[in-house]
Amino acid sequence: KAGVTQTPRYLIKTRGQQVTLSCSPISGHRSVSWYQQTPGQGLQFLFEYFSETQRNKGNFPGRFSGRQFSNSRSEMNVSTLELGDSALYLCASSPVLAGGGDTQYFGPGTRLTVL
Amino acid sequence: DQQVKQNSPSLSVQEGRISILNCDYTNSMFDYFLWYKKYPAEGPTFLISISSIKDKNEDGRFTVFLNKSAKHLSLHIVPSQPGDSAVYFCAASKITGNQFYFGTGTSLTVIP
Repeated sequence: KAGVTQTPRYLIKTRGQQVTLSCSPISGHRSVSWYQQTPGQGLQFLFEYFSETQRNKGNFPGRFSGRQFSNSRSEMNVSTLELGDSALYLCASSPVLAGGGDTQYFGPGTRLTVL
Repeated sequence: DQQVKQNSPSLSVQEGRISILNCDYTNSMFDYFLWYKKYPAEGPTFLISISSIKDKNEDGRFTVFLNKSAKHLSLHIVPSQPGDSAVYFCAASKITGNQFYFGTGTSLTVIP
């Protein structure tokens, strides 16, 4: 089975721009979660989508948004980029809602640099 | 508010010795715990998990111990190998919940 894929792998943007990241989950997985990883902060939960609906949201500003399509692929959008948004963005998929005693499988991440 | 904490940012161990990585949590409702390993330029990969009905789970060289009263879990790697050098994250959730909470990670270096 193919793993979780994320595109693009690397991205450089300037402040004020917006960006869209894409995640394709493992086939058959209906849950996609997004995380932001920055040095010293670990993985900070952004949001989770399940069956095209946002089921849970972390403590991030409204500039961060996402959606999920009927094939479970998910996109994350960040508008009005700030320097502090520079991070590794990881998506993870699981067959069921995250945290339900099952494991999440991570993609390789998208490294976003904001100049 | 960091509900899962890994207080050691880094750890160095000689090859063949035991590596012990620690993790503390504050939410007594957590009942499912996982460890992930992350190499540079890759996403975290699942290593081992434990539910709160157990206090120990073993998988080859990896053993996770859970001390519910202390809200503490640890990952033991025996014997440590150079290929184990990576960042290790612990994560916690409620089995009935819908979110994983991750620690900040511990960078393990196994010295040949």
